[in-house]
Amino acid sequence: QLQQQESGPGLVKPSETLSLTCTVSGGSISSSSYYWAWIRQPPGKGLEWIGSIYYRGSTYYNPSLKSRVTISVDTSKSQFSLKLNSVTAADTAVYYCARAQEFWGTGSYYYYMDVWGKGTTVTVSS
Amino acid sequence: DIQMTQSPSTLSASVGDRVAITCRASQSISSWLAWYQQKPGKAPKLLIYGASSLESGVPSRFSGSGSGTEFTLTISSLQPDDFATYYCQQYNSFFWTFGQGTKVEIK
Repeated sequence: QLQQQESGPGLVKPSETLSLTCTVSGGSISSSSYYWAWIRQPPGKGLEWIGSIYYRGSTYYNPSLKSRVTISVDTSKSQFSLKLNSVTAADTAVYYCARAQEFWGTGSYYYYMDVWGKGTTVTVSS
Repeated sequence: DIQMTQSPSTLSASVGDRVAITCRASQSISSWLAWYQQKPGKAPKLLIYGASSLESGVPSRFSGSGSGTEFTLTISSLQPDDFATYYCQQYNSFFWTFGQGTKVEIK
């Protein structure tokens, strides 16, 4: 059964770079049937999609974060990573990684998130 | 971007009640809609995809309906384990967006 685990520093200083890694086990990160995603949830608030990556490296980002976000994949380690630069207190959140399952319909592929990691809390504070 | 609006924001109900949560999209998303359940301190759990397809292992008391811009998640008989926050999410385009959430509370 596929599992995903987020890891990285729980505390980041303002203006620095937040770096997280998601390790995938129990399944292949190199499958053509999936994208891999990052989502975050500020304390007491709703969910926000950050971006997604395919195993070959193609990416999609939330336009509101695009200038500060980089998502990368390392298939040899079965990991994908998130970097968010110039962080502020507004970036304090629980960060989740998730697998996005492929579905073919009306001439294109569509992806929904079916397996989520447990999440990791990141606090931005000096 | 496609905005998703859920109603109500909070719903108070009793065990055994039939409850319905509505999600509206700012433009047509066909049937590219998922529903998630989230309990405090836990990751979201997929309930429904494709607007009406039940994820494997999810109890049949959960059902989804709708297409285009209006969607509904129905719980036919609310159980103690169902008190949680529910989110809809569109995946019509690769700019995925969520509704603001509906908290189902014990009445």
